[in-house]
Order: sequence, then structure tokens, then C-alpha cells
Amino acid sequence: SQQGEEDPQALSIQEGENATMNCSYKTSINNLQWYRQNSGRGLVHLILIRSNEREKHSGRLRVTLDTSKKSSSLLITASRAADTASYFCAGSGGSNYKLTFGKGTLLTVNP
Amino acid sequence: EAGVVQSPRYKIIEKKQPVAFWCNPISGHNTLYWYRQNLGQGPELLIRYENEEAVDDSQLPKDRFSAERLKGVDSTLKIQPAELGDSAVYLCASSLKGTERYFGPGTRLLVL
Repeated sequence: SQQGEEDPQALSIQEGENATMNCSYKTSINNLQWYRQNSGRGLVHLILIRSNEREKHSGRLRVTLDTSKKSSSLLITASRAADTASYFCAGSGGSNYKLTFGKGTLLTVNP
Repeated sequence: EAGVVQSPRYKIIEKKQPVAFWCNPISGHNTLYWYRQNLGQGPELLIRYENEEAVDDSQLPKDRFSAERLKGVDSTLKIQPAELGDSAVYLCASSLKGTERYFGPGTRLLVL
């Protein structure tokens, strides 16, 4: 089952601007996680938001979760060229071990 | 703290040849995962280990793929024989509590 589908597929912004990526999922989740993947590298965990949470912050990252709409958003404020990467959301339903990733959003931050 | 280590980083083989990937998880992480990531896609789980036991291998193509995690630490994923469609990045990840995954850099496999 698809537990993460990101929108848009690609996003290009200027350094200093904010970047917003959205994620939709189909079935109930226990938590939703966001990961970043730089070109040619493994994924790095960014933030986890539980199903009973609505918003969470970590540095320049802000994640929201709307379980009624089965959607989440990731906001990166004051973007930097180093934020250029693919961003994936992944929903965890049932057992916390089953984590299903979407196809990702490719973010390009132009200096 | 050392991260998840994978080797080799790159592998080019001809179809029908065997290939093996190795992973050393973060020390103390009892859960180990192998994922496959095709170009432009997110990672897809192949197999999950709890210590040395494979507890979820439902997505592992068992006719040609095999994996083992002896002593509940390092793990090896093998493909024999490899097919053109196996070209992908193979990612190993580990976790302590089954929540956030810590990924290795991956092995990029190209089957010619």
C-alpha cells in the first residue's frame, strides 16, 4: 500500500526562500517520517511526527500532520544551496517496522 | 558514533553473474533492513531482521535473492543470478527501536 506520495515531484527555488513539500497517504498511520537524500548518498532521517501530533519543529524544519486529510507538509525556511536534495515522506502503519516511502520531491535551491 | 557501513559502493557485473553486498549496522541496533531503490523512486523494503531472525522477507524475490545475518550483526545480501532489472541502489539501514531508520550510503549495482 502506498504510505507516502509527495507533491510536487520537483521544486526549484532561490536561496533564502521557503520550500514547502506535501505528502499524502492512504491508510491510517502511527507516525510519519521525513527523510532527505543527497545525490548518490543514503537517506538521512529529518523528523518524525506521531499521529497524535499536529505540528513539530526542528531547526529550520516545520512539519504538520492532518490525519483527517491523510496529509503532511514539510516546510524548510530560509533555504540554502546545501538543502538541495530529494525529500521523502514515509508512513508507518500497524507495526512501527513497516515503513513505506513515496517517490520523493526533488528540491533544487539555486544560489 | 560510526554510521551504517556498506560495501562495495559500486558494482558492475554482467547478467547471470552472482553479486553480494555487505552491511555493518550501527553498533547496538538490533533491527536491520535491506532496501532497493530504483531510479526516481523511494526505497522499497526487501527484508527486515530482528537480531539474526528474518521477520519480514515478503518482498524478497526468493528465487534469486538471499540474505543472512549471522550472529545478529553484519548482514549479506546476495543475488544469483543477476538480471538486467536488478540494476538499482541497494540500501542497508538499521534502527534501535524500529522507528527512525539510519541508512548506509548504498551499493549502486549496474547489471549489463
